[in-house]
Amino acid sequence: GAVVSQHPSWVICKSGTSVKIECRSLDFQATTMFWYRQFPKQSLMLMATSNEGSKATYEQGVEKDKFLINHASLTLSTLTVTSAHPEDSSFYICSARAEGGGYTFGSGTRLTVV
Amino acid sequence: AQTVTQSQPEMSVQEAETVTLSCTYDTSESNYYLFWYKQPPSRQMILVIRQEAYKQQNATENRFSVNFQKAAKSFSLKISDSQLGDTAMYFCAFMKQGAQKLVFGQGTRLTINP
Repeated sequence: GAVVSQHPSWVICKSGTSVKIECRSLDFQATTMFWYRQFPKQSLMLMATSNEGSKATYEQGVEKDKFLINHASLTLSTLTVTSAHPEDSSFYICSARAEGGGYTFGSGTRLTVV
Repeated sequence: AQTVTQSQPEMSVQEAETVTLSCTYDTSESNYYLFWYKQPPSRQMILVIRQEAYKQQNATENRFSVNFQKAAKSFSLKISDSQLGDTAMYFCAFMKQGAQKLVFGQGTRLTINP
């Protein structure tokens, strides 16, 4: 079945630094990738949708300059949290979808900013 | 905009019992898809079952089945012969036909007790 690899699974960074999270579709071409944020005991909040080769579409209230999304190939999307602050600490999940296909989720990244 | 409501924040049943998780949604669309996702403690999102709105027959996947009531905009999940491994957060999700985004409910935390 379709597999999405997300790395790292957890990361701790200092306040003010940037951190990059990778999301790779291993056995299919992901024309669309999604990035979610999940707070403890809450649902998934869609941050942005990215199509390969195009700029990401951000949801209302999500800072484009803080959460940089790149979808340069059909198998890789990255989320960079720039100038991270403690309030950016959260669980980030990516999802990938092939053309007309279903959604496959990565295993998530727990980000802690200290 | 579409909304998905899960009115049961938490549920708990004994192993081998049957449990039903509720989900209602609001949409003016006639063609759409509904999903139930499971998020176990590992936090990996797993697709449990999917229903196309144009299909009157309720979807089933082994011990999991849905009760899809289109007129009532209700989409409940029934888990039969519950197992300890069913312990997880369960999210109901909606996607209108031709769209890319999933709209998630708030989730129901299900605990299966031995």
